[in-house]
Amino acid sequence: DVKVTQSSRYLVKRTGEKVFLECVQDMDHENMFWYRQDPGLGLRLIYFSYDVKMKEKGDIPEGYSVSREKKERFSLILESASTNQTSMYLCASSLGTGPGTDTQYFGPGTRLTVL
Amino acid sequence: AQSVTQPDIHITVSEGASLELRCNYSYGATPYLFWYVQSPGQGLQLLLKYFSGDTLVQGIKGFEAEFKRSQSSFNLRKPSVHWSDAAEYFCATGGSSGYALNFGKGTSLLVTP
Repeated sequence: DVKVTQSSRYLVKRTGEKVFLECVQDMDHENMFWYRQDPGLGLRLIYFSYDVKMKEKGDIPEGYSVSREKKERFSLILESASTNQTSMYLCASSLGTGPGTDTQYFGPGTRLTVL
Repeated sequence: AQSVTQPDIHITVSEGASLELRCNYSYGATPYLFWYVQSPGQGLQLLLKYFSGDTLVQGIKGFEAEFKRSQSSFNLRKPSVHWSDAAEYFCATGGSSGYALNFGKGTSLLVTP
């Protein structure tokens, strides 16, 4: 079974802090994704990566950056956390079989609160 | 861009009753469509997916979905709901960013005794 793990289930940070959310997958998947989930808005794509050191912006990249130094690990970075970044963050990975057809496997999520 | 709409924000059904969750897609060609479920406090789990071929797709946990091009729909069904099916359900389609998915806003299912 594919396993996607996220470093924290719950995180509380202060406004202005630099925040790192870590995601690790164990199935040698090419693609990794960061989504943000908010009530009534569903899931929105922040960034995704299709290879080591490669990244592309999603629909809402402002205020976020990412890092993928190793294939299995994809980090989401909030350079200066703000209260409007309080949300559930979901990481996902996929094999890379083809655009639009790839099944994504999700981690359990990190609920981030910014005070 | 490909997108999906889930018209129902909340659905309540009695345990043992049948279930249908609606999903409408917006795309000219045959879309790639997915249904995911999210149990409370958990990540998303794939229930089933449709790419081509047989329009009735069987998934895990007794769920099925039917692709209807004439109605631009991909509705999720289950003949008899269990209390453990209470969760958030998301329809998704292949996104404009290649490998990413576009998700609907979700339907929250409540199961009553």
